[in-house]
Amino acid sequence: EAEVAQSPRYKITEKSQAVAFWCDPISGHATLYWYRQILGQGPELLVQFQDESVVDDSQLPKDRFSAERLKGVDSTLKIQPAELGDSAMYLCASSLYLAKGEQYFGPGTRLTVT
Amino acid sequence: QKEVEQDPGPLSVPEGAIVSLNCTYSNSAFQYFMWYRQYSRKGPELLMYTYSSGNKEDGRFTAQVDKSSKYISLFIRDSQPSDSATYLCAMSGESDYKLSFGAGTTVTVRA
Repeated sequence: EAEVAQSPRYKITEKSQAVAFWCDPISGHATLYWYRQILGQGPELLVQFQDESVVDDSQLPKDRFSAERLKGVDSTLKIQPAELGDSAMYLCASSLYLAKGEQYFGPGTRLTVT
Repeated sequence: QKEVEQDPGPLSVPEGAIVSLNCTYSNSAFQYFMWYRQYSRKGPELLMYTYSSGNKEDGRFTAQVDKSSKYISLFIRDSQPSDSATYLCAMSGESDYKLSFGAGTTVTVRA
């Protein structure tokens, strides 16, 4: 069964350091999403790609977060510098089409900033 | 007020009981309604996906959508300990691709 792959699964970093997360969506899925999930809350969208283009990054803190999907397949989310409040689960999801609602999530990267 | 409201629970039931979960929402533009199951420290897993109002059944799971009341439900029949997880409702509009999630309800099924 096809799955969304993410790495690393866990990351501990000190504040002010840089950190990067990687995501490989389900093959053939054109739309890729990055979410942040704080413990006890639902996921919140950070950025969405359609192929290699950013569709929505209105909730991405652009002063410290960046995301890219250069060849329209896998994607990287970066935080620089990390802050204590960035501790959360970072989830990647993909879907076949834009605006179809049916999104499939990866296992997530749990980030702890100390 | 949040766009999607979901009682966080926790909810504890004996094995074999019916689990009833629900969400309310305020955005009348929502057309796609989903339920995700999330085990501890794992990513959400899509359980049920429905479009507009009505019921959908898949094995032990039944999803109901009442757009007139802006209310959706998920029922789990013959609950098993393996159903112990957090259940998240999510929804999006016809042209708005963003998923709006509830906070999740934590369910424990006691053996």
